[in-house]
Amino acid sequence: DIVMTQSPDSLAVSLGERATINCKSSQSVLYSSNNENYLAWYQQKPGQPPKLLIYWASTRESGVPDRFSGSGSGTDFTLTISSLQAEDVAVYYCQQHYSTPVNFGQGTKLEIK
Amino acid sequence: QVQLQQWGAGLLKPSETLSLSCAVYGGSFSGYYWSWIRQPPGKGLEWIGEINHSGNINYNPSLKSRVTISINTSKNQFSLKLSSVTAADTAIYYCARGVRGAAAGRFDYWGQGTLVTVSS
Repeated sequence: DIVMTQSPDSLAVSLGERATINCKSSQSVLYSSNNENYLAWYQQKPGQPPKLLIYWASTRESGVPDRFSGSGSGTDFTLTISSLQAEDVAVYYCQQHYSTPVNFGQGTKLEIK
Repeated sequence: QVQLQQWGAGLLKPSETLSLSCAVYGGSFSGYYWSWIRQPPGKGLEWIGEINHSGNINYNPSLKSRVTISINTSKNQFSLKLSSVTAADTAIYYCARGVRGAAAGRFDYWGQGTLVTVSS
């Protein structure tokens, strides 16, 4: 199984500032046949299901604001919110979609400082 | 617009069988894997398993002995059964659509979630 580990567990950032969340996989999620990293990011607000933000490590899902970006390759990945808005307060999860069983990171709680 | 609507019993006693169903409205039913994912209150996400329209199934090994996922393609529905539940199975259960690229999917549409509580 591929184990996903996020850091930090929680994060407080001022409005308008940059927020960065890290995710590390226990083995590479780079698919050699197409050179894509099978890593997704989700946002979950209280009382709601998770929302897909990014897949293939850096491809934004349709409708996701461009202040959200993903980067990384192999085993180390980053979700960046370039300018934090109040509505971005949520828990963020990474997920590998390289192999089953699918695994998620433990989540990072993002708050306003 | 794709919508997933789920339903099922929300309160169970230990040793009973959890049973949930999810109906898919809009979009194609074939070409995707349909998953169940759960989230204990205040905790993270755990993938339970998936099925596609051809009946290909994958389960999380941690739950495999107790899980059955089935599909009804004529109704665009899929279902989850989890046997011998304990308090540790108390969670919000979500159904979700998996978009496959490699051997696993990313989840682009989710049901609203069903809180299942196991208590004597």
